[in-house]
Amino acid sequence: DAGVIQSPRHEVTEMGQEVTLRCKPISGHDYLFWYRQTMMRGLELLIYFNNNVPIDDSGMPEDRFSAKMPNASFSTLKIQPSEPRDSAVYFCASSSTGTGIDWGNQPQHFGDGTRLSIL
Amino acid sequence: SQKIEQNSEALNIQEGKTATLTCNYTNYSPAYLQWYRQDPGRGPVFLLLIRENEKEKRKERLKVTFDTTLKQSLFHITASQPADSATYLCALGGYGQNFVFGPGTRLSVLP
Repeated sequence: DAGVIQSPRHEVTEMGQEVTLRCKPISGHDYLFWYRQTMMRGLELLIYFNNNVPIDDSGMPEDRFSAKMPNASFSTLKIQPSEPRDSAVYFCASSSTGTGIDWGNQPQHFGDGTRLSIL
Repeated sequence: SQKIEQNSEALNIQEGKTATLTCNYTNYSPAYLQWYRQDPGRGPVFLLLIRENEKEKRKERLKVTFDTTLKQSLFHITASQPADSATYLCALGGYGQNFVFGPGTRLSVLP
């Protein structure tokens, strides 16, 4: 089975430009997560969806960041306008429903990330 | 605020020895603790999950312990091999609580 697929793998763009990162979760998984990883702050959860609905976006750093999940097989994370401090590796992960209503008891399957550089 | 610490940024051990990595947390009451492995340029890969009511979990050469009194998890790799060299991340979760990753420990197994 295919794992989580992210595109592009690398993105270099100039400050002020719009950036769109894409993710295809594992088929059948009903949770989707967006993370950001930097040396300074480690791996941070930005937002997660359940059945295509955003559940918690408290980790989204600013209004410049937005995420959508129009269907079960596709999600985007958009940054507009981008700034140099947004440079990081962005990961998408998916998981299946845990027991009860707590998704934390299920493994998360990560994509290989998008390395974003804002000049 | 919630805080997770992993023993050190980097750990070097000799091949064949047991590697022990620690994950300590404060201001958190996790119901689950997960361990992941991350190789350079790749996403984290799930290894093991242990619940708050479990003391120990094993998978092949891996062993995880979870002590909710000490607020600590230990991750052991026995008979370590150079192929075990990677960064290992712990992550805490529980109903109504944020899912948080630790900063990771970079393990190098020397031949």
